[in-house]
Amino acid sequence: GAVVSQHPSRVICKSGTSVKIECRSLDFQATTMFWYRQFPKKSLMLMATSNEGSKATYEQGVEKDKFLINHASLTLSTLTVTSAHPEDSSFYICSAPSTTGGWETQYFGPGTRLLVL
Amino acid sequence: GENVEQHPSTLSVQEGDSAVIKCTYSDSASNYFPWYKQELGKRPQLIIDIRSNVGEKKDQRIAVTLNKTAKHFSLHITETQPEDSAVYFCAASLPGSSYKLIFGSGTRLLVRP
Repeated sequence: GAVVSQHPSRVICKSGTSVKIECRSLDFQATTMFWYRQFPKKSLMLMATSNEGSKATYEQGVEKDKFLINHASLTLSTLTVTSAHPEDSSFYICSAPSTTGGWETQYFGPGTRLLVL
Repeated sequence: GENVEQHPSTLSVQEGDSAVIKCTYSDSASNYFPWYKQELGKRPQLIIDIRSNVGEKKDQRIAVTLNKTAKHFSLHITETQPEDSAVYFCAASLPGSSYKLIFGSGTRLLVRP
């Protein structure tokens, strides 16, 4: 099946610094990837759609200058949390669609737990 | 935009009993409805999905039903086992893309041994 990886799995940073999270599709190509944010015991909130070769599309209420997305290749999307603050602490998960098996299915990465001190 | 509501938020059942989780969606143009299982600290895993041209789909102990007229779909787990304990999320695709998903709020299922 399709495999999506994320790096790092967890990161602790000081307030005001920037953090980059990578999302990779390991055995398939993805022109589109999605970034979600999940608070403890809450649902997945779609933040943005990452598009290879063009600008990301952000959901309403998500600051594009705060969460920079770059879809550098058909297998890599990065999310950079700029000038991180404690309220940015969360579980960030990416996903990528694949037609492995004949049907379109969305596969999730393992997530990155960000803690901003 | 699309809105997905999920009930109940928590569900406790005895091992061997059935569990049912229900979701409603707002946009009648949505055409893809997956269900994900998420264990603590792990990634969501697809367990079953259904498309709008099908009313029911079954995979061993798991089944999903879809009522397009009423805009609701349900997850049914039979013969529950302790390892079924997890958080379950329903989702609906936005029109125009079977990839972009809007998730329900989740149901925490506890299967008591």
